[in-house]
Amino acid sequence: ETGVTQSPTHLIKTRGQQVTLRCSSQSGHNTVSWYQQALGQGPQFIFQYYREEENGRGNFPPRFSGLQFPNYSSELNVNALELDDSALYLCASSFGTVLSGANVLTFGAGSRLTVL
Amino acid sequence: AQSVAQPEDQVNVAEGNPLTVKCTYSVSGNPYLFWYVQYPNRGLQFLLKYITGDNLVKGSYGFEAEFNKSQTSFHLKKPSALVSDSALYFCAVRDIARDDKIIFGKGTRLHILP
Repeated sequence: ETGVTQSPTHLIKTRGQQVTLRCSSQSGHNTVSWYQQALGQGPQFIFQYYREEENGRGNFPPRFSGLQFPNYSSELNVNALELDDSALYLCASSFGTVLSGANVLTFGAGSRLTVL
Repeated sequence: AQSVAQPEDQVNVAEGNPLTVKCTYSVSGNPYLFWYVQYPNRGLQFLLKYITGDNLVKGSYGFEAEFNKSQTSFHLKKPSALVSDSALYFCAVRDIARDDKIIFGKGTRLHILP
């Protein structure tokens, strides 16, 4: 089975720009979660997508948005980038149902974003 | 909201010695608890989980964790540490107040000294 793949692995942007990060979920998984991991910190939950709809959101402003596609892949978009957005962005897939909610997460290697 | 706390930023253990990485939790209702490990420049990898049943949970790479309801703890343990166990370890909880999402602690860096 294929794991979770993320692209790009590294990127550099300047303040005010926009960025799109991509994630392909593991085969058989239908739920995608996005996390932001700042240097030296634990992953912070951004949002989760289930059946192409946002299914829960953490304490992140609306300039963080996402999509999930019919093949369960996902995108994270960040507008009006700020210096503090510099972090490792992790995508995780899982198999969930309406009743079971989040379960064991399979993570990608992440996309490291640097904002100058 | 549910949360986990990892009181130690770093733990140093000599190779061959037993190791413990501490985690305490704050939840309403029955806790769903997890441990993940992160190696340099990698995503997180699942080690083990507790949902219900036996308080001693066995996981990957010889790790186990002990669930203690009275102390609200879920410490990660291994009887004999390997240098290759050196990594960043995260405790996590399923937050039923936040649509069942997985919430992580800040992490504990484990150094195994040869």
